[in-house]
Amino acid sequence: DIQMTQSPSSLSASVGDRVTIACQASQDISTFLNWYQQKPGKAPTLLIYDASNLETGVPSRFSGSGAGTDFTFTISSLQPEDFATYYCQQSDNLPPTFGQGTKLEIK
Amino acid sequence: QVQLQESGPGLVKPSETLSLTCSVSGGSISSSTYYWAWIRQPPGKGLEWIGNIYYSDTNYRNPSLKSRVTLSVDRSKNQFSLKLSSVAAADTAVYYCARSWRYGAAPGKIDYWGQGILVTVSS
Repeated sequence: DIQMTQSPSSLSASVGDRVTIACQASQDISTFLNWYQQKPGKAPTLLIYDASNLETGVPSRFSGSGAGTDFTFTISSLQPEDFATYYCQQSDNLPPTFGQGTKLEIK
Repeated sequence: QVQLQESGPGLVKPSETLSLTCSVSGGSISSSTYYWAWIRQPPGKGLEWIGNIYYSDTNYRNPSLKSRVTLSVDRSKNQFSLKLSSVAAADTAVYYCARSWRYGAAPGKIDYWGQGILVTVSS
């Protein structure tokens, strides 16, 4: 299985901050990398697909980049509703695998 | 708007079989564009891919669970189902059904999820 490693595991930030989360794959996954947001008690929601494509309806403050094994996810200006857990997921090889998550908390 | 809804028992005894069904509305399960997936999340932990099925019944099961997982699809009811046999406490989790795009070697982006159902394994 491809291992996905996110860093940091948790992060404290303030409204208006720029935040970046890293995701590293254990092998080359091209750009088959997706990002999800999960709030407590809710299912994840898709934010970014194929490394850098913004899902329809998702605010433009969210962005993603990278290829191969190293990827980043950025929120340009944190809003109160953005405090949640974020997961990366590779869709290059079976089984699809997820990072362990990054919990974004209010400072 | 596509909606997915899981149903099934919330409590299963150890060694028994967990059975869940996902009902899809607002779209056809017979579309060639999508896989239909099961993903689980133990309390306070991360996400694990259980398996996925195509409308033709072709399916993939995570090797970590393969011997215990059965996937099926009922096109007439627009539903797909999961059976997990010989459950243990470690199978306690929120189980999600989801729709994943079919365009690469593996299922692609997951754009619709069910709300999830907590299944507890306990006697």
